[in-house]
Amino acid sequence: EPEVTQTPSHQVTQMGQEVILRCVPISNHLYFYWYRQILGQKVEFLVSFYNNEISEKSEIFDDQFSVERPDGSNFTLKIRSTKLEDSAMYFCASSVQGHGYTFGSGTRLTVV
Amino acid sequence: DAKTTQPTSMDCAEGRAANLPCNHSTISGNEYVYWYRQIHSQGPQYIIHGLKNNETNEMASLIITEDRKSSTLILPHATLRDTAVYYCIVRPGGDDKIIFGKGTRLHILP
Repeated sequence: EPEVTQTPSHQVTQMGQEVILRCVPISNHLYFYWYRQILGQKVEFLVSFYNNEISEKSEIFDDQFSVERPDGSNFTLKIRSTKLEDSAMYFCASSVQGHGYTFGSGTRLTVV
Repeated sequence: DAKTTQPTSMDCAEGRAANLPCNHSTISGNEYVYWYRQIHSQGPQYIIHGLKNNETNEMASLIITEDRKSSTLILPHATLRDTAVYYCIVRPGGDDKIIFGKGTRLHILP
């Protein structure tokens, strides 16, 4: 069964450093998403991406965040200057236009 | 901004049917009912969705009331691996984003 692949599975970074989280969506999917989940809290929408541009973003997705699909297969989330409160699980998802999203297994980001 | 109401937690004995209720009394005519689950620390997993009719797939059945104000997800023979948080979500189809609530924490008991 096709999978969404996320790397790395765990990233530790110092506060103020830039991090890039990587995702390889399912190959025929056209819509891409990033979500995050702070420990013990709900899964929160960050951003959706279609046709090489952001289609929607939440208030969490401020100027410190950016997304890119650099080469037609990878989909990345960049956090420019990490803060302690950015520590969370980050999930990438993709979908064909329609109903079921496929989520990756996540990257656990720890900011120290 | 929750559109759905689910119990916080439920228990079910292994091998029995798990019936997870969801209320969505303000559902609009173009909105579908979706169910996802999240096994501990993993990414959410799509289970099933429906508009008006009852639906069944290899994972579960979805029963939607005639007035569409509530639904029930049925896992017919629950196993320990079905222990997870189950999310009932109401949204239009297409690329509209999924908004997760708190869900129901289902414990399957041996």
